Amino acid sequence: EAGVTQFPSHSVIEKGQTVTLRCDPISGHDNLYWYRRVMGKEIKFLLHFVKESKQDESGMPNNRFLAERTGGTYSTLKVQPAELEDSGVYFCASSQKGRNTEAFFGQGTRLTVV
Amino acid sequence: GESVGLHLPTLSVQEGDNSIINCAYSNSASDYFIWYKQESGKGPQFIIDIRSNMDKRQGQRVTVLLNKTVKHLSLQIAATQPGDSAVYFCAESLPSGTYKYIFGTGTRLKVLA
Repeated sequence: EAGVTQFPSHSVIEKGQTVTLRCDPISGHDNLYWYRRVMGKEIKFLLHFVKESKQDESGMPNNRFLAERTGGTYSTLKVQPAELEDSGVYFCASSQKGRNTEAFFGQGTRLTVV
Repeated sequence: GESVGLHLPTLSVQEGDNSIINCAYSNSASDYFIWYKQESGKGPQFIIDIRSNMDKRQGQRVTVLLNKTVKHLSLQIAATQPGDSAVYFCAESLPSGTYKYIFGTGTRLKVLA
């Protein structure tokens, strides 16, 4: 069974540009999460979907970030316009229905804003 | 691969010895805890979890200890192997409506041959 996959693995963009990150969760997983790790800091929660619904977006830093999960399958995270401080590694994770079920992480997308 | 941070605490252990990685968690109401392992260029990988109604849980070569009195979590790895070299994160979850995990800063484990 395929794990959580993220695309692209790396992205380098200029400040002010737009980037869209994609996450394909494990098939059948209702829960999908986005996290990010800024250089030298801890992994921080961004938001949580249950199927196509946003359940918790308390970690989204500002309105330059937009996440969607159309049809409750894959998810995208768009940053528009990107700023230098958005650089980091963005992780997606998915888990089965319910709380405290094992979350499986993707390999991450390294975003560098120059 | 990913640079996992410039200022992570580092634990160096001789191959074959036991490793103990510690974590202080932040919220006394947290009821679920997880240890993740992250190798360079990869995402966090689940190792073991424990619920707050337990104080110890064992897996294969790993043991997690939970001390709720002092909000402390530890991961013990028996007979540490070179493949155990990675960054280890603890994470906690609150019994509220949110499912999010709160991660610690991580500890880099280096296994010396």
